[in-house]
Amino acid sequence: AQKITQTQPGMFVQEKEAVTLDCTYDTSDQSYGLFWYKQPSSGEMIFLIYQGSYDEQNATEGRYSLNFQKARKSANLVISASQLGDSAMYFCAMRDPQGGSEKLVFGKGTKLTVNP
Amino acid sequence: GAGVSQTPSNKVTEKGKYVELRCDPISGHTALYWYRQSLGQGPEFLIYFQGTGAADDSGLPNDRFFAVRPEGSVSTLKIQRTERGDSAVYLCASSLGPPTGNQETQYFGPGTRLLVL
Repeated sequence: AQKITQTQPGMFVQEKEAVTLDCTYDTSDQSYGLFWYKQPSSGEMIFLIYQGSYDEQNATEGRYSLNFQKARKSANLVISASQLGDSAMYFCAMRDPQGGSEKLVFGKGTKLTVNP
Repeated sequence: GAGVSQTPSNKVTEKGKYVELRCDPISGHTALYWYRQSLGQGPEFLIYFQGTGAADDSGLPNDRFFAVRPEGSVSTLKIQRTERGDSAVYLCASSLGPPTGNQETQYFGPGTRLLVL
């Protein structure tokens, strides 16, 4: 069964606007971690933000915030004040706790394009 | 400090050959992970080391793939009898581990682009 679902293959946003990238996940575990990574055309995976399943507050890191809705099993990334350099692939990932593994399971990604 | 480094950055080989891909994690990180990313997909897990031991190798696709981390730092992913389907970007990541809160964040290297002709 698919663990991470990113339903938006591509998104467009105007420079300086905010954008929300969707992510839903599936797990039966109570303890898990959720991550967002950015992958520019250069290929490197850049860590953006982390949310633990027991964290009561939504995570924020500069212009990035994570809209964590545990009951809906969603962990959407919000980028405020978009910049041209934000154009990249964005991947949502979950630490897969089942079986005691610490691996990350990734979604298929969303390609974000920021227009001037 | 230095991030995760991987060598080579690109590798072109012929079908049937043997290749080794190297990963040097962030200093002090005890956990190391290998992932494979095919074009247009998210990374897929291959193997996870905690220290010198492979704690989870469930993602290795078959017995042509093997990885080692003999001293708990640098790791080598080894692929025998390469096939064209092995062509992908091989990503290495490390984390402080064992995962507790933010310690579980995995930091990735730039990857090795493997092309099997």
